[in-house]
Amino acid sequence: GQSLEQPSEVTAVEGAIVQINCTYQTSGFYGLSWYQQHDGGAPTFLSYNALDGLEETGRFSSFLSRSDSYGYLLLQELQMKDSASYFCAVRVRGTGGFKTIFGAGTRLFVKA
Amino acid sequence: GAVVSQHPSWVICKSGTSVKIECRSLDFQATTMFWYRQFPKQSLMLMATSNEGSKATYEQGVEKDKFLINHASLTLSTLTVTSAHPEDSSFYICSAMAGPDTQYFGPGTRLTVL
Repeated sequence: GQSLEQPSEVTAVEGAIVQINCTYQTSGFYGLSWYQQHDGGAPTFLSYNALDGLEETGRFSSFLSRSDSYGYLLLQELQMKDSASYFCAVRVRGTGGFKTIFGAGTRLFVKA
Repeated sequence: GAVVSQHPSWVICKSGTSVKIECRSLDFQATTMFWYRQFPKQSLMLMATSNEGSKATYEQGVEKDKFLINHASLTLSTLTVTSAHPEDSSFYICSAMAGPDTQYFGPGTRLTVL
């Protein structure tokens, strides 16, 4: 089966940097994605790592270590609007083709 | 950018009725679409993978006779919740692959079964 672990909640102050870790155990691993979801909304894609290393997109960066089955999402210069749930998700390939499995999500609270 | 739409955005129905939810890729063709269900404050649970022109692949524990999926064209997949019951009330979200590494999500459909 597939399993992902990420912290359930993180609290940080505006302007700070926060790192949300994700570890996974899976077969047929292809890559690790991160999604943001505000209450009542649909998930929005943030990043995808298929190879080891750091990917930077503006204030958000994502890292993957395939050998450690570990990744993280780094949010810099936090803003109040970053308060949301963040999901790591693994892209896997099985007998039915590719699919994306989500972690339980990390609820980020940004305080003034 | 690529857009995925869902219709309806919300629906309220009586117990025992069936509800159809449509998922469309608006500016790209998607041979593969996915259906997820999300309960309040929980994660997205993959229900099934919908492949154009073939039968859907259901995840373990998902009743294929209750959640009928049809992917009749490269831009449309439908999910029909048959004989809906209150426990089927949830947020249903579809997504479509726009490329090997890019997955876009629809805005979701909130289903309430009375």
